[in-house]
Amino acid sequence: GQQVMQIPQYQHVQEGEDFTTYCNSSTTLSNIQWYKQRPGGHPVFLIQLVKSGEVKKQKRLTFQFGEAKKNSSLHITATQTTDVGTYFCAGRDYGQNFVFGPGTRLSALP
Amino acid sequence: NAGVTQTPKFRILKIGQSMTLQCAQDMNHNYMYWYRQDPGMGLKLIYYSVGAGITDKGEVPNGYNVSRSTTEDFPLRLELAAPSQTSVYFCASSPTSGGPNEQFFGPGTRLTVL
Repeated sequence: GQQVMQIPQYQHVQEGEDFTTYCNSSTTLSNIQWYKQRPGGHPVFLIQLVKSGEVKKQKRLTFQFGEAKKNSSLHITATQTTDVGTYFCAGRDYGQNFVFGPGTRLSALP
Repeated sequence: NAGVTQTPKFRILKIGQSMTLQCAQDMNHNYMYWYRQDPGMGLKLIYYSVGAGITDKGEVPNGYNVSRSTTEDFPLRLELAAPSQTSVYFCASSPTSGGPNEQFFGPGTRLTVL
């Protein structure tokens, strides 16, 4: 079945540094979503990417969908302590459901 | 709108006991989902429903059952609880059309089976 992997598993950054997490699917995706989960909280939707090569920005966050629609990335510029949490990608093939990656846990030191 | 609500927030079960995790949404979403999240891991889909009266298995359905008699409610039933079912359970809903079909998650139920 479809598998979604994310790297790195953990990332520690100094506040102000940049951060990138990568998501790779074993199958071609129809679209991909990104979620953020704060410690002890529930996943919160960030964005959905649909088109090959699509790039979307939300303030300091930049999301990219690969040309082959099998990978995606999330880049945070100048990390702040409010960015701390686990970032999940969720890839949807051409079925009904999304498969979540294992997540990248981001911690930031002030 | 309350969004997606889940009860209880916490529960401890003994091996072999049964329980129902409640989930309700007031956004008139047709799609509803149950996920489990083991410590430090991602979310695994247990069951999902595309509308009242329709349910289907996800990736890890064994040991669970669901029903969807109304659009609003999607309870998850655990029969004969086992320690392997210790996890945090999230219910989610999403609209069927329009917008990005984002999933709205409830606050979760933390279940421990001893």
